[in-house]
Amino acid sequence: DGGITQSPKYLFRKEGQNVTLSCEQNLNHDAMYWYRQDPGQGLRLIYYSQIVNDFQKGDIAEGYSVSREKKESFPLTVTSAQKNPTAFYLCASRRTGFGTQYFGPGTRLTVL
Amino acid sequence: EDKVVQSPLSLVVHEGDTVTLNCSYEVTNFRSLLWYKQEKKAPTFLFMLTSSGIEKKSGRLSSILDKKELFSILNITATQTGDSAVYLCAVERSGGGADGLTFGKGTHLIIQP
Repeated sequence: DGGITQSPKYLFRKEGQNVTLSCEQNLNHDAMYWYRQDPGQGLRLIYYSQIVNDFQKGDIAEGYSVSREKKESFPLTVTSAQKNPTAFYLCASRRTGFGTQYFGPGTRLTVL
Repeated sequence: EDKVVQSPLSLVVHEGDTVTLNCSYEVTNFRSLLWYKQEKKAPTFLFMLTSSGIEKKSGRLSSILDKKELFSILNITATQTGDSAVYLCAVERSGGGADGLTFGKGTHLIIQP
């Protein structure tokens, strides 16, 4: 089946630790995105990548890092520099140029 | 700075009622407006609107965009309990190398039996 997968579904982290969230898609989409959602809030863009080996900061990139070594994969690292990392993280993808963004199931990160 | 404002933020109605959700926006180089439905996890796509005045329809849901007044509405007729969700509005800009969607905070819709 074609789609976007994110893992893990739930993640717990101690303060001061880096953690990496996985996002994989088999839709042959060029563009991939990471969003963060806090309770009662809309989604906010963290990073996006329109092509392999290239990515751009979104509105709230501080404390996060990404890589795009393969078309199918766009992992997000939440670093210890992120002041308030507890949130729901959503990955999305779409074909370049124009089109709808489709979302993965999300990872809920809790910092203890 | 791009801005998307949804109203109301929450709404409780009875099954069978009709609801109208609002979305106003300010965005540089508007390209499209999208509606998503979110039920506790990933948002699922409902509509993409690019042209003013053309209604998009899918079953009991419909949406229309007014590019002059910079707003969109999402209508749900004959509501059912399964329509309970957060409805998100997002806008996409074009050009300038920018990408990604700007979202509103969402409307939390509760349908009571």
